[in-house]
Amino acid sequence: KAGVTQTPRYLIKTRGQQVTLSCSPISGHRSVSWYQQTPGQGLQFLFEYFSETQRNKGNFPGRFSGRQFSNSRSEMNVSTLELGDSALYLCASRQQGGNTGELFFGEGSRLTVL
Amino acid sequence: SQQGEEDPQALSIQEGENATMNCSYKTSINNLQWYRQNSGRGLVHLILIRSNEREKHSGRLRVTLDTSKKSSSLLITASRAADTASYFCATDNNNAGNMLTFGGGTRLMVKP
Repeated sequence: KAGVTQTPRYLIKTRGQQVTLSCSPISGHRSVSWYQQTPGQGLQFLFEYFSETQRNKGNFPGRFSGRQFSNSRSEMNVSTLELGDSALYLCASRQQGGNTGELFFGEGSRLTVL
Repeated sequence: SQQGEEDPQALSIQEGENATMNCSYKTSINNLQWYRQNSGRGLVHLILIRSNEREKHSGRLRVTLDTSKKSSSLLITASRAADTASYFCATDNNNAGNMLTFGGGTRLMVKP
């Protein structure tokens, strides 16, 4: 079974631009979560999608958005990029939507904002 | 905000020694999980312990949970250089929907 796939793995943007990151969960997994990891703030929850619905959202500004498609693939978008958005963005999938069980993480998308 | 606080932040040991990492959290939980992350890579799930369990083993890993003290510990026995990584505890909270709240992590270095 293929793992969680995130694209692109690395990208460089400049302030004010926008970026879209993609995540393909493990086949059969319907829950997809996104996390931001920075040296200063650690791992912070962005949002979680299940069956194309956003079920939970972390404490991030509206510039951060996401969506999930009918095949469970998910995208997140960050508009009007700021230097502080430089981070490793991790996607994780779960087989079901319940609040138990492990998360399966992708390798992440490393975003650098110049 | 981070639910878990991990201690120590960094740990350096020799191969063959045991490594113990501690995690404290603030609110009630459904379960607590430990993850490992190699530098700049994704996280890998190690072990999950439910709120009604006190101890769990998996290979060289031993996890304890004390819900009265809101704390957990991860013990890695007979460490290997390949165990060098960051280790994170994550709590699955009763009232937080379907998100995990991660601690700050412990950076473990195992010297050969």
